[in-house]
Amino acid sequence: GENVEQHPSTLSVQEGDSAVIKCTYSDSASNYFPWYKQELGKRPQLIIDIRSNVGEKKDQRIAVTLNKTAKHFSLHITETQPEDSAVYFCAASIDYKLSFGAGTTVTVRA
Amino acid sequence: ETGVTQTPRHLVMGMTNKKSLKCEQHLGHNAMYWYKQSAKKPLELMFVYSLEERVENNSVPSRFSPECPNSSHLFLHLHTLQPEDSALYLCASSQDYRESTDTQYFGPGTRLTVL
Repeated sequence: GENVEQHPSTLSVQEGDSAVIKCTYSDSASNYFPWYKQELGKRPQLIIDIRSNVGEKKDQRIAVTLNKTAKHFSLHITETQPEDSAVYFCAASIDYKLSFGAGTTVTVRA
Repeated sequence: ETGVTQTPRHLVMGMTNKKSLKCEQHLGHNAMYWYKQSAKKPLELMFVYSLEERVENNSVPSRFSPECPNSSHLFLHLHTLQPEDSALYLCASSQDYRESTDTQYFGPGTRLTVL
């Protein structure tokens, strides 16, 4: 099955700086890559996604890049704010199965 | 948010108890999912239902028994659980499980503690 590795497991950034989270996947057939944000005690919520026919997607301060050849994708958060503090999960999809990374705990220091 | 709801939000049970988790989606979706979320581990897919029919049982022990009476409701029946089953159980739904690019929407989860 698909194996998704996510790094780093924890990330502490100064408010206003950028945060980058990287994921790799094993199955080249994966064609959909969502990113979820989970605040403490709350549900995972989709923040951005990218499909395999696109290399980059941006939504305000959040961007995702995909390198199909290398089988890795990354989440970039610019101008971080305290409300960006949360656990972020990457995932890769084959058919109907989403395989998740283990998560990155992001802490934004004021 | 009322898209996907789960009850109860917290549950403490002994190993000999029988309990059920409930999930309801108000999004008109056809697919529903159960995931297990343990600390520092990836979300683990447990079951997938499409229009009340189970399409995936991801090697889950029989002490977990899902039920999908209609496309809006999903249950997870629990019996003779082990302490290592303590986790956050998340329900999700999507429009069509066959469409790999459909977004899955999650419920708030049930925090289960097995004593």
